[in-house]
Amino acid sequence: GQNIDQPTEMTATEGAIVQINCTYQTSGFNGLFWYQQHAGEAPTFLSYNVLDGLEEKGRFSSFLSLYKGYSYLLLKELQMKDSASYLCAVRDRGRGSTLGRLYFGRGTQLTVWP
Amino acid sequence: SAVISQKPSRDICQRGTSLTIQCQVDSQVTMMFWYRQQPGQSLTLIATANQGSEATYESGFVIDKFPISRPNLTFSTLTVSNMSPEDSSIYLCSVKTGLQSTEQYFGPGTRLTVT
Repeated sequence: GQNIDQPTEMTATEGAIVQINCTYQTSGFNGLFWYQQHAGEAPTFLSYNVLDGLEEKGRFSSFLSLYKGYSYLLLKELQMKDSASYLCAVRDRGRGSTLGRLYFGRGTQLTVWP
Repeated sequence: SAVISQKPSRDICQRGTSLTIQCQVDSQVTMMFWYRQQPGQSLTLIATANQGSEATYESGFVIDKFPISRPNLTFSTLTVSNMSPEDSSIYLCSVKTGLQSTEQYFGPGTRLTVT
């Protein structure tokens, strides 16, 4: 099974940097995803890590440590529009009909203050 | 990427009835999934919709309650049967475009309220 843990909520101010952590335990690992979800909307893809290290994409970066079962999402130069829920998800290493299943953490609600 | 549409976008249903949710993708995709997101919660995988065969259900979800169809590579339906207020949730269709692709996309969701 999967056990994915992330903080429930965080707050930060505009222009600041925030790091959202995620730890996971899984029976079969095939990648870690971060999604952003604004209230009432579908999740949108932010980043994907499958190897150790940092992936940078504009203001957002994501880091993965396979040994530690740990990831973080780093958001720089925060803007008000970044207020959203950030979901950490782990892809299952299945086969056939179970290939590619994605399991989500509870999400971290980020509030950015002016 | 893939553009996913769902029908209906929202519905209010009486307990004991059933609702079928449709998911349409603008291109052929290898994998389709159905998720549920209960109020204030994260996403829970219900099942993987398999083309031409029975869906693969996650623990806690059964075919009698959530029958799923996937007649082709662009379309799937999820039925919520014999509904109760506990089924009130957002139901999301999700797709993976190719076996080697990393990204997974989500539809806009269907907001279901059972009274």
